[in-house]
Amino acid sequence: EVQLVQSGAEVKKSGESLKISCKGSGYRFTTYWIGWVRQMPGKGLEWMGIIYPDDSDTRYSPSFQGQVTVSADKSIATAYLQWSSLKASDTAIYYCVRVAPDGDTFDYWGQGTLVSVSS
Amino acid sequence: EIVLTQSPGTLSLSPGEKVTLSCRASQTITSNYLAWYQQKPGQAPRLLIYDTSTRATGIPDRFSGSGSGTDFTLTISRLEPEDFAGYFCQHYGSLSYTFGQGTKLEIK
Repeated sequence: EVQLVQSGAEVKKSGESLKISCKGSGYRFTTYWIGWVRQMPGKGLEWMGIIYPDDSDTRYSPSFQGQVTVSADKSIATAYLQWSSLKASDTAIYYCVRVAPDGDTFDYWGQGTLVSVSS
Repeated sequence: EIVLTQSPGTLSLSPGEKVTLSCRASQTITSNYLAWYQQKPGQAPRLLIYDTSTRATGIPDRFSGSGSGTDFTLTISRLEPEDFAGYFCQHYGSLSYTFGQGTKLEIK
């Protein structure tokens, strides 16, 4: 069974750094793109970036380029999303997603990580 | 970048009714790379439809997708209580993705 299990909720202050994680299991982690999607409170879905764990090829949405870093450690089948300096506007639920090989859609989703940033 | 506009923003309907949700693209979508996701409150989204009209694994056949060019629709033939949720369309291709702003289906 394919599973993406994300790290727990975080409460941070503006200016702090943060790295959240997503562990994949039940499939060959290295050969599927894995990505991140933001959902701000009461709002829609925004694609942030994806990474191919086997060679760390990474693509970002123009809206998030330079704002976050997507990475992966294939030895432990885990992807990461990190911020160097959080802002209150980063408050959101962040989902990790697996990219389907044949359709390019997001066929599996993690349970979400709530990040709350206070100013 | 293709912008997706969903309409309406909210729909109030009763179980048993048929519903059609709209997703309009700002440019022609090639290869019918259009998907639909369902999101229930407090849950992660799940894939319903991809390539405009192909149901994802385990999705009931009351859900169907259609469209081409810039106009796409998701139809639920007969609403079940568990179908009242948020629905998002998504364009994908060349490892780039955009979502519509969503339509909320609520019980009348």
